Amino acid sequence: GQNIDQPTEMTATEGAIVQINCTYQTSGFNGLFWYQQHAGEAPTFLSYNVLDGLEEKGRFSSFLSRSKGYSYLLLKELQMKDSASYLCAVVDSNYQLIWGAGTKLIIKP
Amino acid sequence: DAGITQSPRHKVTETGTPVTLRCHQTENHRYMYWYRQDPGHGLRLIHYSYGVKDTDKGEVSDGYSVSRSKTEDFLLTLESATSSQTSVYFCAISEPGQDTSPLHFGNGTRLTVT
Repeated sequence: GQNIDQPTEMTATEGAIVQINCTYQTSGFNGLFWYQQHAGEAPTFLSYNVLDGLEEKGRFSSFLSRSKGYSYLLLKELQMKDSASYLCAVVDSNYQLIWGAGTKLIIKP
Repeated sequence: DAGITQSPRHKVTETGTPVTLRCHQTENHRYMYWYRQDPGHGLRLIHYSYGVKDTDKGEVSDGYSVSRSKTEDFLLTLESATSSQTSVYFCAISEPGQDTSPLHFGNGTRLTVT
């Protein structure tokens, strides 16, 4: 079967750095997305990785290792508004999106 | 932001009644999707459409039907609602061929079946 694993919940402090991991086992791989979802709102696109390595976008970076079936989202200089769920999704060999259950990130002052 | 509107935003209905949710887009994107989101689960695909009158089933399509008579509208119908269909429903659009083809989501419909 296809599987995406993310921690259910994480807590971090305002101003700090947090890394949210995502491991996957899918039939094929055609890219990995990270989305942010604030409570009661729609998911919004953060990043896309298809090649190994780190993609940086302001305070957010996303890393991919295809050989390890592993990605992480790195959030720097955390702000209270970063409190949200972060969803990992993998595009499989049939170009179908397989979604993780999401990681709820709680930011404390 | 992508122009996607879902209606209604909230609905309470009784078991056994039919329910239709509407998704309207102004982006002229070819692909449209219906997902449901439940605690402890990832987003699960119900149905999707790749063009007018072209639709296909997702992983949780039982009890649901869809129609797309115009590019901009994608309707999701629960023929006879059950309590297991209580969920938050998201519509999404994409245009394959654009850089990364991310999905853009509507604001969701919270459906409660009593």
